[in-house]
Amino acid sequence: AQSVTQLDSQVPVFEEAPVELRCNYSSSVSVYLFWYVQYPNQGLQLLLKYLSGSTLVESINGFEAEFNKSQTSFHLRKPSVHISDTAEYFCAVTSFAGGTSYGKLTFGQGTILTVHP
Amino acid sequence: GAGVSQSPSNKVTEKGKDVELRCDPISGHTALYWYRQRLGQGLEFLIYFQGNSAPDKSGLPSDRFSAERTGESVSTLTIQRTQQEDSAVYLCASSRTSGVGETQYFGPGTRLLVL
Repeated sequence: AQSVTQLDSQVPVFEEAPVELRCNYSSSVSVYLFWYVQYPNQGLQLLLKYLSGSTLVESINGFEAEFNKSQTSFHLRKPSVHISDTAEYFCAVTSFAGGTSYGKLTFGQGTILTVHP
Repeated sequence: GAGVSQSPSNKVTEKGKDVELRCDPISGHTALYWYRQRLGQGLEFLIYFQGNSAPDKSGLPSDRFSAERTGESVSTLTIQRTQQEDSAVYLCASSRTSGVGETQYFGPGTRLLVL
């Protein structure tokens, strides 16, 4: 079984401040990790994902996340946020092992990031 | 190109009625997923299709829930004898293949309210 915990349900921050959205996962086998974002009145869209290789992955809009296997974490960070980053962010995991050949995602409960001017 | 579309966008129904939700995946995507998001909670996996077969129905919460898919195209999720706890946003996603790690593209969802 796999599970995801997002430790903060809401994170308020001022514009141009740094932010970290925390995500911890639980799985007995290997994992792939994802961050999805849902902007107001829009559908869920992929922000970034870790499959293999470098443990630090980046998105095109300045977010980054680091896979930490020993701490079973995949925290999302941005050094300087903008008003337009206001959205709900979801961490998700899919596990793989012999016999599992599809990407069913298990999601965390989401973190609402609100950026204030 | 066209993304995943879902209809209706909103549905209000009375307890005990049946509802049918529709998903049109991205053309050429062989894998299709249904998820449910209840208020204040994360997304819950319901069912997965590879082509028109459903290898994993483990997330369907009860036998009132069923889903089918025509080839590698439209899918419908049917909820019979709806209950108030079925109120949620139902999300559909598709991916190019069913490979682990493939990006899933989500539709806008159907918001279901059972009175």
